[in-house]
Amino acid sequence: EAQVTQNPRYLITVTGKKLTVTCSQNMNHEYMSWYRQDPGLGLRQIYYSMNVEVTDKGDVPEGYKVSRKEKRNFPLILESPSPNQTSLYFCASSLSGRGLVETQYFGPGTRLLVL
Amino acid sequence: DQQVKQNSPSLSVQEGRISILNCDYTNSMFDYFLWYKKYPAEGPTFLISISSIKDKNEDGRFTVFLNKSAKHLSLHIVPSQPGDSAVYFCAASAYAGGTSYGKLTFGQGTILTVHP
Repeated sequence: EAQVTQNPRYLITVTGKKLTVTCSQNMNHEYMSWYRQDPGLGLRQIYYSMNVEVTDKGDVPEGYKVSRKEKRNFPLILESPSPNQTSLYFCASSLSGRGLVETQYFGPGTRLLVL
Repeated sequence: DQQVKQNSPSLSVQEGRISILNCDYTNSMFDYFLWYKKYPAEGPTFLISISSIKDKNEDGRFTVFLNKSAKHLSLHIVPSQPGDSAVYFCAASAYAGGTSYGKLTFGQGTILTVHP
């Protein structure tokens, strides 16, 4: 089954404790992206990657790191989480190309609470 | 600095009537616009898109209109169905060379409720 998986789905952590949210897709997609969803702010793009070893900043990259060492995985790293990073996070992927970026497949979301 | 704005947090419509969801943007460099739908506890799904060279794009019950001079786009759903009840996000991208078209800016979302 074609899908985007994220782990963990729920996470409670404390300020400053490094964490990684994994994202994996099995569709051989070139494009992958991370978003956060917050009430009243909608979806905001954190980072995106057009292909292996190619990553670019979205609108809200501060406090996050990503890597794209292989095509299927795009982990989101919070080196020193803070309470303002409490949010619902979505990973997405699509085949590639301008007209295909729109047909992103989204993962189920990771709800993060930073105390 | 919200470059893409959906000023109506919610919209309530009767089944069978038209739903009109609005979106405004400030960045004149945006040249591609998209609408996504999101159900609770699920990731968003792509609905329809429009390029800035067009002013209308239609797909079944969904039509997107783009007014570049007003920097405004709207999504029309006709006829509305209870299954359309969801959060709708508009998004925009601007091609500035290289990989820039992968950058998407979303609005805050509008909750649509379609009553039977």
